[in-house]
Amino acid sequence: GAVVSQHPSRVICKSGTSVKIECRSLDFQATTMFWYRQFPKQSLMLMATSNEGSKATYEQGVEKDKFLINHASLTLSTLTVTSAHPEDSSFYICSARDSERGETQYFGPGTRLLVL
Amino acid sequence: GQNIDQPTEMTATEGAIVQINCTYQTSGFNGLFWYQQHAGEAPTFLSYNVLDGLEEKGRFSSFLSRSKGYSYLLLKELQMKDSASYLCAVSHFMTTDSWGKLQFGAGTQVVVTP
Repeated sequence: GAVVSQHPSRVICKSGTSVKIECRSLDFQATTMFWYRQFPKQSLMLMATSNEGSKATYEQGVEKDKFLINHASLTLSTLTVTSAHPEDSSFYICSARDSERGETQYFGPGTRLLVL
Repeated sequence: GQNIDQPTEMTATEGAIVQINCTYQTSGFNGLFWYQQHAGEAPTFLSYNVLDGLEEKGRFSSFLSRSKGYSYLLLKELQMKDSASYLCAVSHFMTTDSWGKLQFGAGTQVVVTP
């Protein structure tokens, strides 16, 4: 149990385009999902917290107009990187918390984004 | 401020024991997680400590002292597949600002040698 999927696993795009990443909880309902970014050899940096049916809460320094988050249902959250630039190239990971299972966050497999 | 410290890298031989320490200074502390992350992959859950003391789970054990702001992850009978980054993460109380979010340390790269 507690499986989280992400799609796509890898994406290459041109500078200026937008990229949407999906995060799904497959066997549980996730009232809260989290989006992280990880640069090579660095730790995970929380970008935003996504709550079903409400606006996402962004961490300081994260542009909410650039990283659009939608948590439309209890099993799906999406992150859209708008007008992507090479410096947005990173490993994006989502996690989901099942309120019935306590505090543990379960991570998706990650999406590697390369912006040319 | 909020700070989580863990060593950058540790090396040990197969079959040995390694202890990864984590110290934290944070407000609204709720509990402490340990995750394992292999290169290029997402983190996988190892343990969660809320109360003081030792939690044992197979070859892995985790300890927490809330008063000292200190935790460690103990890896016994090391195997080559244990070579990975180990992330210490502090969870915060559920509030409308934090929603139980995790704050991660920089990770400790464990290298297991034959």
